[in-house]
Amino acid sequence: KAGVTQTPRYLIKTRGQQVTLSCSPISGHRSVSWYQQTPGQGLQFLFEYFSETQRNKGNFPGRFSGRQFSNSRSEMNVSTLELGDSALYLCASSPRGGADSTDTQYFGPGTRLTVL
Amino acid sequence: GDSVTQMEGPVTLSEEAFLTINCTYTATGYPSLFWYVQYPGEGLQLLLKATKADDKGSNKGFEATYRKETTSFHLEKGSVQVSDSAVYFCALSARGGNKLVFGAGTILRVKS
Repeated sequence: KAGVTQTPRYLIKTRGQQVTLSCSPISGHRSVSWYQQTPGQGLQFLFEYFSETQRNKGNFPGRFSGRQFSNSRSEMNVSTLELGDSALYLCASSPRGGADSTDTQYFGPGTRLTVL
Repeated sequence: GDSVTQMEGPVTLSEEAFLTINCTYTATGYPSLFWYVQYPGEGLQLLLKATKADDKGSNKGFEATYRKETTSFHLEKGSVQVSDSAVYFCALSARGGNKLVFGAGTILRVKS
């Protein structure tokens, strides 16, 4: 079974631009979560989507948004990029999502975003 | 809120040495606990997990036991290899959703 795929792997943008990152979950998985990884803040939860609905949201500004499609693929968008948005953005998928905390999340390789 | 505290690194060991990476957590209710590993330039890989008190997760020679009384989930391996060099993250998932809360990560370096 193919793993979680993320595109693009690397991205360079300038301040003020917007960016869209894509994530394809493992086949059959219905939940997709996004995380931001930076040297200073570590790994932080952005949001989770399940059946096209956002179920959980982390403590990030409204410039960060996402969506999920009927095939469970997900995109996240960052508008008005700031230098501090430079990070590795990781997507994770899990079979069920929602109330069951025992679900394992499987991570993709990440998208490395650099904001100049 | 929920939080995870890991021992700071880097941890440097010789091949075949014993490894312990400490992890403690704070959470309401009964979270599930995970160890993930990240190799350079890659995403996170699940190493092991435990979903209830006294459960022991194990994989590839690594073990960790869910200790509710001490709110801990320490990672151990009896004999490390150079290929174990990576960053190790302890994480919890509380009831109510797929939101992982991570520790800061511990860099492990194994010398031959």
